[in-house]
Amino acid sequence: ETGVTQSPTHLIKTRGQQVTLRCSSQSGHNTVSWYQQALGQGPQFIFQYYREEENGRGNFPPRFSGLQFPNYSSELNVNALELDDSALYLCASSPGGYEQFFGPGTRLTVL
Amino acid sequence: KQEVTQIPAALSVPEGENLVLNCSFTDSAIYNLQWFRQDPGKGLTSLLLIQSSQREQTSGRLNASLDKSSGRSTLYIAASQPGDSATYLCAVHSQAGTALIFGKGTTLSVSS
Repeated sequence: ETGVTQSPTHLIKTRGQQVTLRCSSQSGHNTVSWYQQALGQGPQFIFQYYREEENGRGNFPPRFSGLQFPNYSSELNVNALELDDSALYLCASSPGGYEQFFGPGTRLTVL
Repeated sequence: KQEVTQIPAALSVPEGENLVLNCSFTDSAIYNLQWFRQDPGKGLTSLLLIQSSQREQTSGRLNASLDKSSGRSTLYIAASQPGDSATYLCAVHSQAGTALIFGKGTTLSVSS
């Protein structure tokens, strides 16, 4: 059974650019959540998707958007990148909202 | 608003010691609580999940307890090893299917 995978592993962008991060959920998991983890902090909830619909959102501006596809994989899009967007972005999948299983993360650096 | 606090922020112990990591939360109406391990720059590995109706969970050398009424959980690590060195994060689900709320973690260093 394949776990949660994320791509790319690392990414460097400049301020004002747009970025797309990808996540493949664990087999059989229909719920995907995205988190942002700044250095030295705990992860902060961005949003969650359940069966292709947004199912909850944290305190992040609209320039953070997402998609979930029929195979339950997901994308996180961030427009107009700011320096403070530099962080580890984590994707987690779960079989309907219970225990969450995290991927290895994507390290985004904004210069 | 649910807030999760972990104490201490960092801990250094010699190999073989038993240790306790603490987690407290402000709203006792939780659905479940999860403990994670994170190695530097890596993703999160789930260690233990405790449902709100449970008092504790055990996996190998790890034991996690939950006291909802006092808003506390502890993670007990027996006979610590250098390979246990990592950051340990506590997170609560306030309602099924929504966000995990995390503490900032406790960074553990076990010396040989």
